[in-house]
Amino acid sequence: DTAVSQTPKYLVTQMGNDKSIKCEQNLGHDTMYWYKQDSKKFLKIMFSYNNKELIINETVPNRFSPKSPDKAHLNLHINSLELGDSAVYFCASSQVGGQGGGELFFGEGSRLTVL
Amino acid sequence: GENVEQHPSTLSVQEGDSAVIKCTYSDSASNYFPWYKQELGKRPQLIIDIRSNVGEKKDQRIAVTLNKTAKHFSLHITETQPEDSAVYFCAATRKGADGLTFGKGTHLIIQP
Repeated sequence: DTAVSQTPKYLVTQMGNDKSIKCEQNLGHDTMYWYKQDSKKFLKIMFSYNNKELIINETVPNRFSPKSPDKAHLNLHINSLELGDSAVYFCASSQVGGQGGGELFFGEGSRLTVL
Repeated sequence: GENVEQHPSTLSVQEGDSAVIKCTYSDSASNYFPWYKQELGKRPQLIIDIRSNVGEKKDQRIAVTLNKTAKHFSLHITETQPEDSAVYFCAATRKGADGLTFGKGTHLIIQP
């Protein structure tokens, strides 16, 4: 049973298009995240969503928007895709409970290629 | 915000030798320091973590040490094996809801 699942696994699209990546966790965690991993393998937090509170990394362009229909889902929508958006996007979840950090459980990643 | 520096970026060791990866962090309020291993084409997975009230933690061949005064922490792998080859990331946070700030990763290569 997959703990954190995201779809699609691969996404190839043209510049200027809009795309979405879906994420679901069945661990009952209270916090979900989106991370971007670029070609140099650098992992950077984009968003975290905890009890309806959205925390946005200030460096993320507003073309990126997370949407959470419920506690188990956190989708990522990207408008007007640019070449520099090409990366692997990882969804993750954690049971934080207001305390310090806890283990992050990552999805398999979604490789986005913008042509 | 938090800033995590990680060194070295690449580390090559002979099979059976030890490997050490070092990280420094900037936010003195950070209290959770995990290490993740990412094999090629796979997702990052937690291998060990330490909280700020502990100075050292060990799990079989891997250990992590934390020096809060100096704001640095290290990963130690002993008796390295071919399956230890991967990219290792250190991370830090002071509040889980903020997410982890990762170092830039260390590519560990185990030479046969």
